[in-house]
Amino acid sequence: QSALTQSASVSGSPGQTITISCTGTSRDVGGYNYVSWYQQHPGKAPKLMIYDVSNRPSGVSNRFSGSKSGNTASLTISGLQAEDEADYYCSSCTSSSTLYVFGTGTKVTVL
Amino acid sequence: QLQLQESGPGLVKPSETLSLTCTVSGDSISSSYYYWGWIRQPPGKGLEWIGSIYYSGSTYYNPSLKSRVTVSVDTSKNQFSLKLISVTAADTAVYYCASRYTSRWGVDFWGQGTLVTVSS
Repeated sequence: QSALTQSASVSGSPGQTITISCTGTSRDVGGYNYVSWYQQHPGKAPKLMIYDVSNRPSGVSNRFSGSKSGNTASLTISGLQAEDEADYYCSSCTSSSTLYVFGTGTKVTVL
Repeated sequence: QLQLQESGPGLVKPSETLSLTCTVSGDSISSSYYYWGWIRQPPGKGLEWIGSIYYSGSTYYNPSLKSRVTVSVDTSKNQFSLKLISVTAADTAVYYCASRYTSRWGVDFWGQGTLVTVSS
């Protein structure tokens, strides 16, 4: 299974809205409504931000939202803040929803 | 709220076996509500799923690692474990134990991660 494709970096100014994309195939992203997104600060474990394409776990800011169209999932961060600067990874299931695949990761920089 | 903690050697020699244990607190590892698994991250690189196990004993492995990996559960100690045989320098990574609810797709719970270096 190949890693999902994410843009290497995205940047924005405080208060702006940015979108991170995650492209897979019909065998993973496009085949299931099972996409999740993670935020990772340097030296820390990843944190779940979105599950099942568009749902936020309790405690995650509503500035984070997820969506999917075809084989591409997206994470949108609105009202960008300094603490949003981190690496972001998408993940999908594949192969009858029993296996996982991660994206290549996107570095978000707040200018 | 689940808490996960990895333990094991930080240095493994090439061709030997990497063994890590994850101790679970906050709920029973026999619960049907969770999958348990391992994810790794080589220094400066992205996340890679290694494998998962369900309370029933069903296991699921990354096809690229399947021939070398075993994930198992020890219900008496509320722990689950990872064994990776025949390691090389490419297996050097931070290893995370993790868990997700069976009802949704997203890894809610992560250990702090442990760096394992493969070197002679």
